Amino acid sequence: ETGVTQSPTHLIKTRGQQVTLRCSSQSGHNTVSWYQQALGQGPQFIFQYYREEENGRGNFPPRFSGLQFPNYSSELNVNALELDDSALYLCASSLRQPYGYTFGSGTRLTVV
Amino acid sequence: GDSVTQMEGPVTLSEEAFLTINCTYTATGYPSLFWYVQYPGEGLQLLLKATKADDKGSNKGFEATYRKETTSFHLEKGSVQVSDSAVYFCALSLASGSRLTFGEGTQLTVNP
Repeated sequence: ETGVTQSPTHLIKTRGQQVTLRCSSQSGHNTVSWYQQALGQGPQFIFQYYREEENGRGNFPPRFSGLQFPNYSSELNVNALELDDSALYLCASSLRQPYGYTFGSGTRLTVV
Repeated sequence: GDSVTQMEGPVTLSEEAFLTINCTYTATGYPSLFWYVQYPGEGLQLLLKATKADDKGSNKGFEATYRKETTSFHLEKGSVQVSDSAVYFCALSLASGSRLTFGEGTQLTVNP
């Protein structure tokens, strides 16, 4: 098993900019989910992709968008960054069956 | 909506002490329940899970029992080690492959 790989591990952006975060799913996993974890908080569900289609979305504005590619890797895009977007962004992949979520180590985004 | 409530932290214990971290949930259906652990600078690791009432999840000396009557899933360990120091998250999922709803997390520190 290769696990879930996220890149970059850290980055700093300026308010108003755009950012793209990347995730390589665990081998064989066809579902990917993204979570935002603010400092000292539990992760909050952003959205999920299954076979390249969005398959569920949390309470996040449209400036949070994503893609899943045929190899099941994924991107999270955030436009018009705000200071409150500073957080750890976690990617989790799974098979479409109970309950094998595998999390990556996350991307720490700081918006200044 | 669905939610998870964890006991307030942080929790500080001496090595070999008994650990309990309380978790209660509110859900519209019959959720599966999870405990995840997050070590400093890392992503989330699944610690244990239970998919139906009265199931007991266990791993690495940790246990939790799915109590439908009290809507609880308390985490216990008989003898903690320094290496158990981490943040622990209780979570639920309502269906196979669906989003995880997390609690706020409980910081555990174990002193030698």
